[in-house]
Amino acid sequence: DAGVIQSPRHEVTEMGQEVTLRCKPISGHDYLFWYRQTMMRGLELLIYFNNNVPIDDSGMPEDRFSAKMPNASFSTLKIQPSEPRDSAVYFCASSSHSLAGGYSYEQYFGPGTRLTVT
Amino acid sequence: AQTVTQSQPEMSVQEAETVTLSCTYDTSENNYYLFWYKQPPSRQMILVIRQEAYKQQNATENRFSVNFQKAAKSFSLKISDSQLGDTAMYFCAFMNNNAGNMLTFGGGTRLMVKP
Repeated sequence: DAGVIQSPRHEVTEMGQEVTLRCKPISGHDYLFWYRQTMMRGLELLIYFNNNVPIDDSGMPEDRFSAKMPNASFSTLKIQPSEPRDSAVYFCASSSHSLAGGYSYEQYFGPGTRLTVT
Repeated sequence: AQTVTQSQPEMSVQEAETVTLSCTYDTSENNYYLFWYKQPPSRQMILVIRQEAYKQQNATENRFSVNFQKAAKSFSLKISDSQLGDTAMYFCAFMNNNAGNMLTFGGGTRLMVKP
């Protein structure tokens, strides 16, 4: 398997613009997580899905952030409008807690998207 | 809520020597998992080792081993025969598999392996 795939790897945008980050989880994994990493706050969970359904979005900073998972192989994290304080590395991770995917519990991370909002 | 604390922001070790990274956590749960992740300069998060709380035996993966002290809520990582490629940020993480399987991370320890 190619692992968790994220795009783009780098994104530079101006304040006020819409940003969409994309993630393809490992095939067969039934959990998908979005994390944000900053120097000030470290690694923090934003939202996670189970079988394409959002389970906990309490980590989403504010209404400017939204996430979707239309199918088992694709998820997006959208920021609209973006602000300089949103600059961070955004990670997507997936894991399997089902017999079909192999019980493992480990979360496998994508390479991350480095977002810079100027 | 669970918290994870890594009290050593930075550490260094000479190549081929052994180093231990500390991690403590706070939880009222009895059933959980603990992980160590490595993040090299490439920023890729790489799983190093995992430990199930119900297992008394400490996990080992080649040069990496843990000292899991459940009563003390301590989960340290020992790296033996340190290599230059071990230079990275190391994150300790907690998962309560009764509450959504999400990870709570510590603040990280920056490890530098010196030649």
